[in-house]
Amino acid sequence: SQTIHQWPATLVQPVGSPLSLECTVEGTSNPNLYWYRQAAGRGLQLLFYSVGIGQISSEVPQNLSASRPQDRQFILSSKKLLLSDSGFYLCACEGATEAFFGQGTRLTVV
Amino acid sequence: TQLLEQSPQFLSIQEGENLTVYCNSSSVFSSLQWYRQEPGEGPVLLVTVVTGGEVKKLKRLTFQFGDARKDSSLHITAAQPGDTGLYLCAGALGNQFYFGTGTSLTVIP
Repeated sequence: SQTIHQWPATLVQPVGSPLSLECTVEGTSNPNLYWYRQAAGRGLQLLFYSVGIGQISSEVPQNLSASRPQDRQFILSSKKLLLSDSGFYLCACEGATEAFFGQGTRLTVV
Repeated sequence: TQLLEQSPQFLSIQEGENLTVYCNSSSVFSSLQWYRQEPGEGPVLLVTVVTGGEVKKLKRLTFQFGDARKDSSLHITAAQPGDTGLYLCAGALGNQFYFGTGTSLTVIP
């Protein structure tokens, strides 16, 4: 089965600073990859998904962007963070019948 | 667009009580999953249902997929404090996964 590596686990960044969260996948090739944001105690809000290298679909307009430079690498970025970007970010990989998740990144923008 | 709506959003019950969480949609899904998530961690898969009307049991948890494959329920019998967490349903539609709004369960000892 797939293994998702996501880092860092926690991050505190000042408003206006850049962001780069990285996600890598093992155990599969050409996976569908996702970035989600989650408010405390709530469901997952889909931010971006990718079906292949260089192919990014955005679900909601926002201050964030995503890139997929390699088959098993998915990066979430921002040029200038806003306070409202704080949250719990999850990277996921789609398996045959389920999704596999990274451990998540707790981002606090101060 | 939120394709999967879960109810209730928040649930706080006493240990030993039974509860049911619902996951509803107007879309037909090829499969549906239930996940449980601990704070600060990623969701972990509990079960996948693929056939309309399917019922699966996992110890005290019973999962049912609706006949039309548009909805699902999770029933917990004699809830334990260890059942506390966020429960998420998710469905596969086309080439994408969609997650429900989540149900935050607290079981009080």
